[in-house]
Amino acid sequence: QQQVKQSPQSLIVQKGGISIINCAYENTAFDYFPWYQQFPGKGPALLIAIRPDVSEKKEGRFTISFNKSAKQFSLHIMDSQPGDSATYFCAATYVGYSTLTFGKGTMLLVSP
Amino acid sequence: GAGVSQSPSNKVTEKGKDVELRCDPISGHTALYWYRQSLGQGLEFLIYFQGNSAPDKSGLPSDRFSAERTGGSVSTLTIQRTQQEDSAVYLCASSRDRGNSPLHFGNGTRLTVT
Repeated sequence: QQQVKQSPQSLIVQKGGISIINCAYENTAFDYFPWYQQFPGKGPALLIAIRPDVSEKKEGRFTISFNKSAKQFSLHIMDSQPGDSATYFCAATYVGYSTLTFGKGTMLLVSP
Repeated sequence: GAGVSQSPSNKVTEKGKDVELRCDPISGHTALYWYRQSLGQGLEFLIYFQGNSAPDKSGLPSDRFSAERTGGSVSTLTIQRTQQEDSAVYLCASSRDRGNSPLHFGNGTRLTVT
């Protein structure tokens, strides 16, 4: 059973545009939602994370929006740059359980 | 400082052979994870070690897969009698402790079973 559904699978955005990746979860016990960024040939690296006590978290050009009632969260990349081209994974877990459940990933291409 | 190191970076093996994949976590990290990344399948959890506790093996896909962690540090993932469907990138990650500490991933071992 897939507990975190991520969309779209792939995304092409022009330089300077906004990239939006969405995730939906099923387990209402989840209370920690990180996003990981992966470049080709490298392992994923933590990009930004949010807990459900806030509806939005911003770090530079990256923003997580969280909707607890809808059980959805999304990553927005403002002013997208070619260097942002990578695969992005959303994930979820809950207090007392360390293992992250990952979405299937979104391959983002930012065209120059 | 040094990150998570995995070896080999690439492994090609024949169907039916056994393979061992190695992971050196970041020094001082008590938690260690193995994930499998297949095309279009995202990151699939395999096994989790935390300190001296019994590992969480709930993600291992079959009894051909096993892993151990010696001395709370280096870990080895073993796949016996490899099958073509085992072809994937195997990623190791470590974190400072249990809970929500960030995972630090290695660059993975790309396994190809011919």
